[in-house]
Amino acid sequence: GQNIDQPTEMTATEGAIVQINCTYQTSGFNGLFWYQQHAGEAPTFLSYNVLDGLEEKGRFSSFLSRSKGYSYLLLKELQMKDSASYLCAVIDGSYQLTFGKGTKLSVIP
Amino acid sequence: DAGITQSPRHKVTETGTPVTLRCHQTENHRYMYWYRQDPGHGLRLIHYSYGVKDTDKGEVSDGYSVSRSKTEDFLLTLESATSSQTSVYFCAARGAGESDTQYFGPGTRLTVL
Repeated sequence: GQNIDQPTEMTATEGAIVQINCTYQTSGFNGLFWYQQHAGEAPTFLSYNVLDGLEEKGRFSSFLSRSKGYSYLLLKELQMKDSASYLCAVIDGSYQLTFGKGTKLSVIP
Repeated sequence: DAGITQSPRHKVTETGTPVTLRCHQTENHRYMYWYRQDPGHGLRLIHYSYGVKDTDKGEVSDGYSVSRSKTEDFLLTLESATSSQTSVYFCAARGAGESDTQYFGPGTRLTVL
């Protein structure tokens, strides 16, 4: 089975940088995804990591350490529209994504 | 949205009534999934399909059944709806590669009275 932990809520200031952590314990690992979900909407894909290291995509970066079972999503130059839930998900060998409960990020002026 | 639609988008029904939710995709994705999302629980997998007529149970499959007679359609049926099945249901689809993105439909909000 899979166990995925992430903080329930975070608050950050507009223009700042925020790091959302995700730790996982899995019986199989074929990659880690981050999704963004605005209230009342469907999750949308942000990033995918399968190798250790940092993947940068504009204001968003995602890091993975497989040996530590750890990932983080880094959001730079925060904007009000970044207020959303951020979901960490691990894919196993059966092509099933197991999701963490999500981190609700509130960006304040 | 990667060509995934769900119908209906909203439904209110009564306990004991059968309910079918439909997911339709236009990208010929091999894998399709049904999740439910509830406060405090996040997204939980109900059932998934790895091909036409090939389905398997997920984490919370009790009370639900699925069918996939065509690549593009994946149906979720609640044989006899209960109040505990009040939730938001998301369909998702992805290709066969490990790194393939899983795309989600817009969701169906189901209320069982």
